[in-house]
Amino acid sequence: GAGVSQSPSNKVTEKGKDVELRCDPISGHTALYWYRQSLGQGLEFLIYFQGNSAPDKSGLPSDRFSAERTGGSVSTLTIQRTQQEDSAVYLCASSLVSGTRRAGELFFGEGSRLTVL
Amino acid sequence: TQLLEQSPQFLSIQEGENLTVYCNSSSVFSSLQWYRQEPGEGPVLLVTVVTGGEVKKLKRLTFQFGDARKDSSLHITAAQPGDTGLYLCAGNTGGFKTIFGAGTRLFVKA
Repeated sequence: GAGVSQSPSNKVTEKGKDVELRCDPISGHTALYWYRQSLGQGLEFLIYFQGNSAPDKSGLPSDRFSAERTGGSVSTLTIQRTQQEDSAVYLCASSLVSGTRRAGELFFGEGSRLTVL
Repeated sequence: TQLLEQSPQFLSIQEGENLTVYCNSSSVFSSLQWYRQEPGEGPVLLVTVVTGGEVKKLKRLTFQFGDARKDSSLHITAAQPGDTGLYLCAGNTGGFKTIFGAGTRLFVKA
């Protein structure tokens, strides 16, 4: 697609439920990132994919969080047994280059706003 | 732990004023980016700087990368209400992980 697409744009769930967030990156972008942004805050790195592999998952806040990427394209971020502190905007970004001096040039989606009641 | 500290955290100014936003770290970065984010949207890339001492201009915005590649500044000349937003700096050490500062929230009053 023309840009990074995320769904749903808004999700309200009850504490303890599982949620799945989807990211469709820009076609041809091999690198995909998930970040979390709490209200009024900067971006917290969660996980990075190069192709279908996630070299570093250490940014995931707990074992309730998992992510996968299939076909080198779409990625899903799953949060199990959601807690109120999981409420945030989850941003996905993709990049054409990685491991270079321009690796930080990320293209972001509009985010999925998660509210856990 | 790599950290990027931005200052000020919040800035409210009148249209026509100049301002400078700072981004500092103890880490050396191979590249540094500045992004601008508006409410309800994802950050949008403004510029990438890669060479120590580099200065880039984008209309009324001037970006500078420190000589040691540890810090950067963003200067806006004659700010306009359309410049209102959250300005984020981001650093990359050449690998896959890009870290972001907490941002400077700018409000330009007409």
